[in-house]
Amino acid sequence: KNEVEQSPQNLTAQEGEFITINCSYSVGISALHWLQQHPGGGIVSLFMLSSGKKKHGRLIATINIQEKHSSLHITASHPRDSAVYICAASMEYGNKLVFGAGTILRVKS
Amino acid sequence: GAGVSQSPRYKVTKRGQDVALRCDPISGHVSLYWYRQALGQGPEFLTYFNYEAQQDKSGLPNDRFSAERPEGSISTLTIQRTEQRDSAMYRCASSWGQGFGELFFGEGSRLTVL
Repeated sequence: KNEVEQSPQNLTAQEGEFITINCSYSVGISALHWLQQHPGGGIVSLFMLSSGKKKHGRLIATINIQEKHSSLHITASHPRDSAVYICAASMEYGNKLVFGAGTILRVKS
Repeated sequence: GAGVSQSPRYKVTKRGQDVALRCDPISGHVSLYWYRQALGQGPEFLTYFNYEAQQDKSGLPNDRFSAERPEGSISTLTIQRTEQRDSAMYRCASSWGQGFGELFFGEGSRLTVL
């Protein structure tokens, strides 16, 4: 079992829909990162969380430390949101960065 | 520099040759990560530096892979006696904190081993 699990692997949504991507981890972490990668493109950091909730535009990220779970929400989704979304956990000890397998999101117009 | 810079952007080499990939992180960033990504796959952690200290190299696949960051800034990932299975995008990321802080990613070095 991977230390960081993401679901779903693939997600297709209609423009305007509310989207949720989930990330669960099994070890102690110092921070949880949500990343975005467009096809053929680089990776950009969306959020870094160690507790609570963060919001940036239509994106919201939450984390529940007790349940070892984080979610990324996209409100009013748009085709330009189509990308791979990756969660990555900074391990509490040693600072190793463990990546989830990614969620491929496609938003249709 | 303004962002994380990696070179070369593309490297094609013959099996058995050594390659060196360079990462120039954002000035002042303490943490530096190397990871690789095969086509269609998620990123795979390779190694982590805190300043010049290599604190975790558990992700390096075997002893043909090594990395250094001698002055706590630029880092080099070296692959000796390359094999076809080493073909991937090799990326680095840096952050200002020790194991925390927003991650900034380089554009990557695409390695193709023939």
